[in-house]
Amino acid sequence: NAGVTQTPKFQVLKTGQSMTLQCAQDMNHNSMYWYRQDPGMGLRLIYYSASEGTTDKGEVPNGYNVSRLNKREFSLRLESAAPSQTSVYFCASASSGGYNEQFFGPGTRLTVL
Amino acid sequence: GENVEQHPSTLSVQEGDSAVIKCTYSDSASNYFPWYKQELGKRPQLIIDIRSNVGEKKDQRIAVTLNKTAKHFSLHITETQPEDSAVYFCAANLWGKLIFGQGTELSVKP
Repeated sequence: NAGVTQTPKFQVLKTGQSMTLQCAQDMNHNSMYWYRQDPGMGLRLIYYSASEGTTDKGEVPNGYNVSRLNKREFSLRLESAAPSQTSVYFCASASSGGYNEQFFGPGTRLTVL
Repeated sequence: GENVEQHPSTLSVQEGDSAVIKCTYSDSASNYFPWYKQELGKRPQLIIDIRSNVGEKKDQRIAVTLNKTAKHFSLHITETQPEDSAVYFCAANLWGKLIFGQGTELSVKP
């Protein structure tokens, strides 16, 4: 099993460009999450999907959109990238709710110039 | 919403000493408290967790304690080793969402 996979690993964008970060899991998990990690600020939840067909805002949703494409895949879209969105993005999945271990992907390092 | 504070932000210990990291949370409805370890350039990985109906949990050299009344929980690492050097994050679960603390960078010196 690959666990949680993310693409791309690295990306450089110019201000105003758009892109989609892809995440997939093969553990048959119901819940999936997107976080961003900035120095000194820990992991902050952007959006999450408790189950297929549902999505909810986290702590820092502004400037992002998500799509739960199916049970395996959860994508994060930046419509108009800004330098403040320079960060490392992690996707995670869990079997249900927030009461079980979240398994993280390897991360995407995004730089917006 | 939930707010999680974590202290200290950096911690340096000698190999073999103990390390303690403390977290507080604000919402008494939080009911699950995991701890994650993140090595440099790697993804966070769960090392131990505790649910709100338990006061203490131990796994070899790692233990976590929870005080629901005071709304704080702590990670204890005994007999530290150089491979324990990493960033440690506490988190609190509220209504299916994990809110993380800011992280503690632990350095274990040989």
